[in-house]
Amino acid sequence: DSGVTQTPKHLITATGQRVTLRCSPRSGDLSVYWYQQSLDQGLQFLIQYYNGEERAKGNILERFSAQQFPDLHSELNLSSLELGDSALYFCASGPLRAQYFGPGTRLTVL
Amino acid sequence: AQKITQTQPGMFVQEKEAVTLDCTYDTSDPSYGLFWYKQPSSGEMIFLIYQGSYDQQNATEGRYSLNFQKARKSANLVISASQLGDSAMYFCAMTQRSESGGGADGLTFGKGTHLIIQP
Repeated sequence: DSGVTQTPKHLITATGQRVTLRCSPRSGDLSVYWYQQSLDQGLQFLIQYYNGEERAKGNILERFSAQQFPDLHSELNLSSLELGDSALYFCASGPLRAQYFGPGTRLTVL
Repeated sequence: AQKITQTQPGMFVQEKEAVTLDCTYDTSDPSYGLFWYKQPSSGEMIFLIYQGSYDQQNATEGRYSLNFQKARKSANLVISASQLGDSAMYFCAMTQRSESGGGADGLTFGKGTHLIIQP
């Protein structure tokens, strides 16, 4: 158990819909990272938040957004969903020398 | 831009043998970190080992060691005495270490190596 929690575990939705993925970092960690793992693109860094502020952006689409709340949990919002957004979405947290991943949310867009 | 290359899409190894998984990287940053992760078929990403670019010694964690050759930009993972439970995808990743605080940046991953341990 990495100490990072993610909900829901699975999500099935239709094209054009909007979903929210939730992540709670390990106790004491201020950073949250979001990643997408798909067959086409592999593992890609999407976005990082640190203590409530956006700190770095990776290959995140404009249809996607995220935020980190005062209690440090984070949400990743995916809108106008397309078939190609089907993937495993991970969040991670940790110190400089490690990033611990949550169990992931598997999103299926039909 | 950072890039990670894993040239072995798949490997078959006999149980109890040592395994070396190759990873080369490319970056212009002098300060960076290198990571290895294991992803079993269940899907979770398990952190294995970390090497900082300024670390004097190669990292070790139990049966895992990282063969860091900075001049060659190589960060191979060595698993000693392989076990059936080592069968999984293995990913090499790197990050720039931020000088401005806030921890490391997001990880850049390689495409992974699918390791199968045979009895």
